[in-house]
Amino acid sequence: DGGITQSPKYLFRKEGQNVTLSCEQNLNHDAMYWYRQDPGQGLRLIYYSQIVNDFQKGDIAEGYSVSREKKESFPLTVTSAQKNPTAFYLCASSPLGEKLFFGSGTQLSVL
Amino acid sequence: QQQVKQSPQSLIVQKGGISIINCAYENTAFDYFPWYQQFPGKGPALLIAIRPDVSEKKEGRFTISFNKSAKQFSLHIMDSQPGDSATYFCAASGYGQNFVFGPGTRLSVLP
Repeated sequence: DGGITQSPKYLFRKEGQNVTLSCEQNLNHDAMYWYRQDPGQGLRLIYYSQIVNDFQKGDIAEGYSVSREKKESFPLTVTSAQKNPTAFYLCASSPLGEKLFFGSGTQLSVL
Repeated sequence: QQQVKQSPQSLIVQKGGISIINCAYENTAFDYFPWYQQFPGKGPALLIAIRPDVSEKKEGRFTISFNKSAKQFSLHIMDSQPGDSATYFCAASGYGQNFVFGPGTRLSVLP
């Protein structure tokens, strides 16, 4: 069953804590992306990667970090430097430039 | 120049009616224009997409109209159904460029 798997579905962060959101794909796509979605707003790009061991900052990268050690995996860490982390986080992949395929999202909230 | 504008912000349509959502872009390098449908708590899913070499594309009840000179494109949902109630995002991308998303339109189809 091909697709993009995000986990967990819900995540809670305490003050000063780093949390990591998982994203795995078995579509053999080269490119992977992380987006942040706030209520009533569009999708804003956090980080993206077009090849293993390489990634670039998107429009709102401050307070976030990523790694791309395997083609299938693109985890996102929300660091304590991100002062307003409450949002719906979406991971996506594409065969380079076309047809973004999205995961089911992770809702991150602050305790 | 990277912005994609989308209107209306919300739309209420009676069952069987036509839903129309409009988008406008500025970057003439964009050459791929998809529409995504998102249900609450889920990731967006590709609905239909168009390239600027055609002025219209139809898939079932969904039609994209594209006006290259005006840099505008729109989504028409014919015979709208309550199951179409969702948030719709337009987007644009081009060679070597990341996707840019509109802010979304929340559609409610009344039974």
